[in-house]
Amino acid sequence: GENVEQHPSTLSVQEGDSAVIKCTYSDSASNYFPWYKQELGKGPQLIIDIRSNVGEKKDQRIAVTLNKTAKHFSLHITETQPEDSAVYFCAASPLLTGGGNKLTFGTGTQLKVEL
Amino acid sequence: GAGVSQTPSNKVTEKGKYVELRCDPISGHTALYWYRQSLGQGPEFLIYFQGTGAADDSGLPNDRFFAVRPEGSVSTLKIQRTERGDSAVYLCASSYGGGGSTDTQYFGPGTRLTVL
Repeated sequence: GENVEQHPSTLSVQEGDSAVIKCTYSDSASNYFPWYKQELGKGPQLIIDIRSNVGEKKDQRIAVTLNKTAKHFSLHITETQPEDSAVYFCAASPLLTGGGNKLTFGTGTQLKVEL
Repeated sequence: GAGVSQTPSNKVTEKGKYVELRCDPISGHTALYWYRQSLGQGPEFLIYFQGTGAADDSGLPNDRFFAVRPEGSVSTLKIQRTERGDSAVYLCASSYGGGGSTDTQYFGPGTRLTVL
């Protein structure tokens, strides 16, 4: 089955700096890679996702890059703000043409944005 | 619009008891997923429904765990003879289920289960 590794486990940055979180996956069949943000006591919230037919996707301050050859993908947050502080999870899954997928998550990165 | 809702938000039970956890998906979503999240870990897949049927239950840890979705909307996760190791946050997610870009999963707030 799929195995997703995520680094670092904790990340502390100054407000306004950039943050980068990296993930690797093992199953070459995976072609869907979402990123979720989870605040304390809440469920994961999708912030961005990428499919294997593209190498990069950007949405305002958030971008994700994918290298299928190396089986790794990364989340980039620019101009970090205190409200970006949360736990971030990467995930991977094959996206079935018939619908549905089974996400395998990384172990999470605790991001702290300091004033 | 309304998101995925889960009830109860917290459940405390004693070892050996039976519990039911409920999930109301986003209206119109045919796909529904259950995940389990232990402290400090990412969610782990349990089971996936497409409509009323369980399309993939490979993540259920043993036969004490069972889930149903009789009308293709609300789902109930059932745990028999609970053990202390079952303590975790149980998350439900739903997606449109049509395949491709419609399969973004939206998560509920979870049910925190504590087995004493």
